[in-house]
Amino acid sequence: AQSVAQPEDQVNVAEGNPLTVKCTYSVSGNPYLFWYVQYPNRGLQFLLKYITGDNLVKGSYGFEAEFNKSQTSFHLKKPSALVSDSALYFCAVRDGAGANNLFFGTGTRLTVIP
Amino acid sequence: SQTIHQWPATLVQPVGSPLSLECTVEGTSNPNLYWYRQAAGRGLQLLFYSVGIGQISSEVPQNLSASRPQDRQFILSSKKLLLSDSGFYLCAWSVRDRGGSPLHFGNGTRLTVT
Repeated sequence: AQSVAQPEDQVNVAEGNPLTVKCTYSVSGNPYLFWYVQYPNRGLQFLLKYITGDNLVKGSYGFEAEFNKSQTSFHLKKPSALVSDSALYFCAVRDGAGANNLFFGTGTRLTVIP
Repeated sequence: SQTIHQWPATLVQPVGSPLSLECTVEGTSNPNLYWYRQAAGRGLQLLFYSVGIGQISSEVPQNLSASRPQDRQFILSSKKLLLSDSGFYLCAWSVRDRGGSPLHFGNGTRLTVT
């Protein structure tokens, strides 16, 4: 069974400070991990993914994420937050054994305070 | 480049009325297609996915059905809407591969059943 957890419903960070949005996952095979961002009344936009290779992956808008196999985590990070980063962030996982379904976390609302 | 179109953007329907939401993808062939529902601006629930024309997999038994009459067209339907069908419906596509490709979402349809 696949699952993904985002333990924080809300994250607040001051503009210019580093931000972290947490995600842990559970799959039976190798994980394919994704981060998405959603702005109000819009669809989800793909930010980055981890399939294999380097544990640190870089994505759109200066975001990056670190895959940690031992902790089964895939936290989203950005060195310096912008007010425009305020949005809803979703972590998602797919079992690498060829499953079609992509399981999403419940989302974390990021608010960057000016 | 690939684009995904989803319409209408908003819809208000009375209980017991039929529903038809349409999604089309341009710029790619043989995509995987998905319908998700997002409740209360949070978690996403996979409703249906399709790996080819006429091939529909249902993840959750419910009042809805899906069809794929053409390679890049995916339709979500209901014969009689329930109040509980209200929500934000998202269509998505992905490249048909072993699961490493991200999903690309449309802008969604906000359905209110009154």
